[in-house]
Amino acid sequence: GAGVSQTPSNKVTEKGKYVELRCDPISGHTALYWYRQSLGQGPEFLIYFQGTGAADDSGLPNDRFFAVRPEGSVSTLKIQRTERGDSAVYLCASSLMSRVGTEAFFGQGTRLTVV
Amino acid sequence: GQQVMQIPQYQHVQEGEDFTTYCNSSTTLSNIQWYKQRPGGHPVFLIQLVKSGEVKKQKRLTFQFGEAKKNSSLHITATQTTDVGTYFCAGKGGSEKLVFGKGTKLTVNP
Repeated sequence: GAGVSQTPSNKVTEKGKYVELRCDPISGHTALYWYRQSLGQGPEFLIYFQGTGAADDSGLPNDRFFAVRPEGSVSTLKIQRTERGDSAVYLCASSLMSRVGTEAFFGQGTRLTVV
Repeated sequence: GQQVMQIPQYQHVQEGEDFTTYCNSSTTLSNIQWYKQRPGGHPVFLIQLVKSGEVKKQKRLTFQFGEAKKNSSLHITATQTTDVGTYFCAGKGGSEKLVFGKGTKLTVNP
């Protein structure tokens, strides 16, 4: 596609429910990042994929968060037993290759609200 | 772990004044990137710096990477209302993880 696509753009869910957020990266981009951004804050790193594997998942806050990228393209961020503190904009970014000097292209984000 | 700090958090200027935001990393960086996020938008890449002491210019924007590759700055000359937004630095250290600072929110009074 022309850019990074994230769906849904908005998601409202009840506390305790399970949600899935989808990211469609730019075609051919091997690196994919997930970030979480709260109001007035910078993007907080969650996880990074190189191809199908999670190269660095040190930013996932706890075991309720999980992400997959089974075919090295589309990625899904999964959140179990959602809490109100999970409310934020979840941003996905992709880059051509994860090496020094490669810019990240961001999607528009999914705004998650847990009520 | 790797941390990236940015100051100031907010900056309000009159149109035509200059603006500078500073970025410091707790570890040596392999590269540093700058992004701009407009209100309601997503971060958009501006530039990357790789070499120690590197200086790059984009029209009224000047980017610098420190000699020790632990700090960077963005300077905007003669701000315009179109410069409004939040400016983030983001750095890569020993891994490919791209860590963002908290950003500097710039407002410009016409």
